[in-house]
Amino acid sequence: AQSVAQPEDQVNVAEGNPLTVKCTYSVSGNPYLFWYVQYPNRGLQFLLKYITGDNLVKGSYGFEAEFNKSQTSFHLKKPSALVSDSALYFCAVRDNKLIFGTGTRLQVFP
Amino acid sequence: NAGVTQTPKFQVLKTGQSMTLQCAQDMNHNSMYWYRQDPGMGLRLIYYSASEGTTDKGEVPNGYNVSRLNKREFSLRLESAAPSQTSVYFCASSVENSQVGTPYEQYFGPGTRLTVT
Repeated sequence: AQSVAQPEDQVNVAEGNPLTVKCTYSVSGNPYLFWYVQYPNRGLQFLLKYITGDNLVKGSYGFEAEFNKSQTSFHLKKPSALVSDSALYFCAVRDNKLIFGTGTRLQVFP
Repeated sequence: NAGVTQTPKFQVLKTGQSMTLQCAQDMNHNSMYWYRQDPGMGLRLIYYSASEGTTDKGEVPNGYNVSRLNKREFSLRLESAAPSQTSVYFCASSVENSQVGTPYEQYFGPGTRLTVT
């Protein structure tokens, strides 16, 4: 069965520093991978997805993710964090339905 | 263009009561979904509808029923609420008309916070 794992419950980073939110996956066949963000008391918002092609995927709000087949990872990155990036981030894999990780809370400190 | 809307935003039920959560989308999407979000567990799929007139069970369907009333609306019903159904419920939609093939992103509503006492 397809699955994703987000090994960190929380990531803390200072504003202006680069950030990474980790995600590893387990799939049979080609992986279809997504990142979503959830701000407090809001629904999830789509950030980016990997279907095929370039391993570096660019998305909304300056975020990008790197697909690494050998390490079965799809880490979310941003070169310079903002306080407004503080939110809950979910990695997901599409099997015949979307399967979400447990989420990572990103806290960006001023 | 409101996207995905959900009503109500908050609800408190007593054990055994019933209620229907409403969801509507104005993006002409084919697929619609109901999820529940619980702390430390991410989102889990309750039911989905790949097209008008079809519904399928997701990961946690027990205790719920759904109706795809038309292309825009997808409701979730709790016939006899239990404390284990205390959760935040999200509706989502996607342009997909099949659960295989190239996937598209889902658009989420703002959620309904349900408490069952």
